[in-house]
Amino acid sequence: EPEVTQTPSHQVTQMGQEVILRCVPISNHLYFYWYRQILGQKVEFLVSFYNNEISEKSEIFDDQFSVERPDGSNFTLKIRSTKLEDSAMYFCASSELSGEIGELFFGEGSRLTVL
Amino acid sequence: AQRVTQPEKLLSVFKGAPVELKCNYSYSGSPELFWYVQYSRQRLQLLLRHISRESIKGFTADLNKGETSFHLKKPFAQEEDSAMYYCALSGAGGKLIFGQGTELSVKP
Repeated sequence: EPEVTQTPSHQVTQMGQEVILRCVPISNHLYFYWYRQILGQKVEFLVSFYNNEISEKSEIFDDQFSVERPDGSNFTLKIRSTKLEDSAMYFCASSELSGEIGELFFGEGSRLTVL
Repeated sequence: AQRVTQPEKLLSVFKGAPVELKCNYSYSGSPELFWYVQYSRQRLQLLLRHISRESIKGFTADLNKGETSFHLKKPFAQEEDSAMYYCALSGAGGKLIFGQGTELSVKP
C-alpha cells in the first residue's frame, strides 16, 4: 500500500539554523499539506499546496517558512532560521482530491528539536 | 471561527464497555467532519467521515447539527482500540482543523 514518507524522522538543530524537512507524497496525489504538533498540543495546519503553489497558509506559516516541490516527487518544508518554539512534530500529508472531500494520508512525522 | 473541541484528554474504559468520545465543532456553513486515529507508533489515519455514514471497526459517528456535535461511539470497546483519537473539521481550502485529541485506554 502506498504511503507518505518523511525524512528525517528526528532532527536536532541549533537556534537560528536552517532546517529542511522532506516528504514524498503518494505518487498520484495532487494536494499536499504540512501540519505540526507541539508536544501536548493539537495538530495545527501550516500550509496547503496544489498545482505548484500555496493554496492556503495559516498565521503560523510566516516568512521564516517556505515550501517547495522541487522535482515532482519531493515536497519540502524549509524553516529559514529556527526558533525554540519551532520544536514540534511536523506531519506531511497528501490527498488525491481536495481535503474537503478527499482522505488525507499522513506521513509518520519528523520530530524537530531546536536547542 | 472554525474550531473543534474534544473535552476529554483521556478516556479510560474496561474491555467490553461502551465508549463515547465527544467532539463539538464551530463552523459557519455545512461542515465536513472526520475522525482520525493514531495507534501507538503509527501514523495518523482516517477512521471515518460523516459523509460516508459507515461503521469502521465497530465505530460510528453521527453528525448532530443542532448540537454541533460529532461524537464517536462504539458499543463494546476492545483492547486494540487503545489509541489517540482526533476529531477534525474540513475548512476552506480543504485544510483540516483538529481537536486536541482524546487518548482512549481500554483495559483488560
